[in-house]
Amino acid sequence: ETGVTQTPRHLVMGMTNKKSLKCEQHLGHNAMYWYKQSAKKPLELMFVYSLEERVENNSVPSRFSPECPNSSHLFLHLHTLQPEDSALYLCASSQGAGTPETQYFGPGTRLLVL
Amino acid sequence: TQLLEQSPQFLSIQEGENLTVYCNSSSVFSSLQWYRQEPGEGPVLLVTVVTGGEVKKLKRLTFQFGDARKDSSLHITAAQPGDTGLYLCAGASGGSYIPTFGRGTSLIVHP
Repeated sequence: ETGVTQTPRHLVMGMTNKKSLKCEQHLGHNAMYWYKQSAKKPLELMFVYSLEERVENNSVPSRFSPECPNSSHLFLHLHTLQPEDSALYLCASSQGAGTPETQYFGPGTRLLVL
Repeated sequence: TQLLEQSPQFLSIQEGENLTVYCNSSSVFSSLQWYRQEPGEGPVLLVTVVTGGEVKKLKRLTFQFGDARKDSSLHITAAQPGDTGLYLCAGASGGSYIPTFGRGTSLIVHP
């Protein structure tokens, strides 16, 4: 238990569906991250939020839309996804944005797009 | 672009064997971290190395940071089935606090 929870753990969706992934951290951290983990690829950083403001967006398609309502919660809204978006989506948090820090990961949401 | 190359990509060994996995880059890192990811879970931090030439030990795991802070290695002594997992290295450089991850080494230890 790392103090970062993600729901759902597994998700199957069609290309026309809209769904949301949820992440919650119980560590009092100020920075939260979304990563995509696909087979045979390095962990890909998607979004970074620091103190609820988006500080980085790594050219992610607009069909992925993040939301950070407060420092403890992070969402990833999904719509009109493609089969190649099937992957493990990991949320992480760290204490703050400033120096390289330990990231605490959630267990991930395994997403399958049909 | 920071690029971390990990080798080998896959490793399948018997219980009791020793192994070393490597993390190499052309960039200098202010710190480098090793994570282990078990199936169905997110990565969990094992260690952070900060000083060039630093060696850290965590039970049967020995981590080394290269003198030039461009590479690192992880040595496991007498591997056990519980060591099975994906070992990821990550580092940040150029003043960024956001780490870049390598592809990882997938280790299987057979009983």
